[in-house]
Amino acid sequence: GAVVSQHPSWVICKSGTSVKIECRSLDFQATTMFWYRQFPKQSLMLMATSNEGSKATYEQGVEKDKFLINHASLTLSTLTVTSAHPEDSSFYICSARRSSGPYNEQFFGPGTRLTVL
Amino acid sequence: KQEVTQIPAALSVPEGENLVLNCSFTDSAIYNLQWFRQDPGKGLTSLLLIQSSQREQTSGRLNASLDKSSGRSTLYIAASQPGDSATYLCAVRRGQGAQKLVFGQGTRLTINP
Repeated sequence: GAVVSQHPSWVICKSGTSVKIECRSLDFQATTMFWYRQFPKQSLMLMATSNEGSKATYEQGVEKDKFLINHASLTLSTLTVTSAHPEDSSFYICSARRSSGPYNEQFFGPGTRLTVL
Repeated sequence: KQEVTQIPAALSVPEGENLVLNCSFTDSAIYNLQWFRQDPGKGLTSLLLIQSSQREQTSGRLNASLDKSSGRSTLYIAASQPGDSATYLCAVRRGQGAQKLVFGQGTRLTINP
């Protein structure tokens, strides 16, 4: 159990276009989902935290108008990179925290590699 | 501000050896600590989670220990295999209601056949 999926697994887009990435918890309900960004050979950088039905909380330095997050249900969160530019190219990973269970364990998706040309 | 450090940054050992990965954190007031594995170009797989009240957790050939007072955790891998090659990350959560995991930079482990 505790599987998190992401779609797409990779995407290539032209500069100026918008890209939407989906994150789903397949077999559990997630009140809270997280979006991370990872640069090559570096650790994960938390971008934002989203709670179902409310606005996302963005980390300092993350542009909320550029990285739109929607957490519409207990099993789905989406990240939309608006007007993408080459510097937005990165590996994006989502994570979901179980609504039930004592330890608030987080489970991670397989990641989405975004390349902006 | 919590900081998590992992040493070494990279480790290469021959197959069959037992090895230890280290994780230290600056603020001992943690709720739990998780060890993850990340294969190249992939997401994170949770290996072990240790609550602050626990001293260790075991899963197969993996054993994670936690010494909260000294701000340290170790991940012990027994009888290493080439399939264990990956980056290993540790992360701490400050409190039960705390949203964030604070990650270390990871240790890149290579097991040579």
